[in-house]
Amino acid sequence: RKEVEQDPGPFNVPEGATVAFNCTYSNSASQSFFWYRQDCRKEPKLLMSVYSSGNEDGRFTAQLNRASQYISLLIRDSKLSDSATYLCVVVLYYGGSQGNLIFGKGTKLSVKP
Amino acid sequence: NAGVTQTPKFQVLKTGQSMTLQCAQDMNHNSMYWYRQDPGMGLRLIYYSASEGTTDKGEVPNGYNVSRLNKREFSLRLESAAPSQTSVYFCASSENWNTEAFFGQGTRLTVV
Repeated sequence: RKEVEQDPGPFNVPEGATVAFNCTYSNSASQSFFWYRQDCRKEPKLLMSVYSSGNEDGRFTAQLNRASQYISLLIRDSKLSDSATYLCVVVLYYGGSQGNLIFGKGTKLSVKP
Repeated sequence: NAGVTQTPKFQVLKTGQSMTLQCAQDMNHNSMYWYRQDPGMGLRLIYYSASEGTTDKGEVPNGYNVSRLNKREFSLRLESAAPSQTSVYFCASSENWNTEAFFGQGTRLTVV
């Protein structure tokens, strides 16, 4: 089983739609969680961190379910500019002061007019 | 404040040639990383450096070496390039192991 799994999509949605992405992780020792956004032929950029209590940033809501080991991202009122690949990221702790960011393969979103 | 700077942006190598990808960050981050990204494979960790003076293997280290020259710089070396190393390479840094990472713009490497 992969460490971090995402539905690859693509998700094709009309402008204004609400879309949800899910991500599951296999290592219960995972410490931190993030959603990144990657535009075509660009570097990944942090979209938002994911906290246990859930968090919201404008049209974006992230949630974490540690018991079920999954993370979600909800995008409301989709814009054309939201078209990108969304990467789920989990930080694994190796001990001492070492850990690593493990990336899912990403979910591609295409928002159409 | 440039963030993470990678050079070169593009490179074509012949099989067997060597090269070094350079990466520098100006955010005083402790941790630095090298990833490769291939279609359908996502981002895979090649090597990382948790702090100045330390380096460790990631998921796909074979065929690569790294040097954490100082706190700012983390280079990736291909000693004898192979076509399987054709990829997009990203350098990243983070303040610590459990904080968000910031990425460079990537190096598109083709080995022919």
